[in-house]
Amino acid sequence: GAVVSQHPSRVICKSGTSVKIECRSLDFQATTMFWYRQFPKQSLMLMATSNEGSKATYEQGVEKDKFLINHASLTLSTLTVTSAHPEDSSFYICSAAMVAGGPGSPLHFGNGTRLTVT
Amino acid sequence: SQKIEQNSEALNIQEGKTATLTCNYTNYSPAYLQWYRQDPGRGPVFLLLIRENEKEKRKERLKVTFDTTLKQSLFHITASQPADSATYLCALVSNQAGTALIFGKGTTLSVSS
Repeated sequence: GAVVSQHPSRVICKSGTSVKIECRSLDFQATTMFWYRQFPKQSLMLMATSNEGSKATYEQGVEKDKFLINHASLTLSTLTVTSAHPEDSSFYICSAAMVAGGPGSPLHFGNGTRLTVT
Repeated sequence: SQKIEQNSEALNIQEGKTATLTCNYTNYSPAYLQWYRQDPGRGPVFLLLIRENEKEKRKERLKVTFDTTLKQSLFHITASQPADSATYLCALVSNQAGTALIFGKGTTLSVSS
């Protein structure tokens, strides 16, 4: 149980284009989804917290107009990287917390999306 | 803000030995602390959660301790196997609301046969 599916797993795009990444909780409902970014040999850096039906909360230093997050249902959140640049190339990972979990509940992660901007 | 330090970037041990990984945090003591495993190119997988009122937690060959005085958690893998080779991440909540997690850089464990 508690499977999170992230799509696509890899994407290559040209500089200036936009890329959408989907994150779905397959067998549970997720009130909250989190988006992380990870550079090689670095920790996961929290980008934003997404709550179903409301605006995402972005971490300091993360441009909300560049990284658009939509959490339209209890099973789907999307991250759109707009006007991508080579420095946006990274490993993006989503995670979800179960509705019934409460504070401290383990997160269930997708398998990440490797974005390469050329 | 809360900071997490996992002192060793890499740990190499022989099969059958016990691996001990360290996680230190710098600010307020969290109500709980979590450990995850991450394989290359994959998302982290939850392993164990330990609460502040628990000194120790076990799951099969895994053991986690939590010392709020030292602000430290230790993660042990006993009778290690090559399949245990991965990066292990320590995580705790970034805010008092107890929602988002922040992660340490991780310790990459290599178990040789």
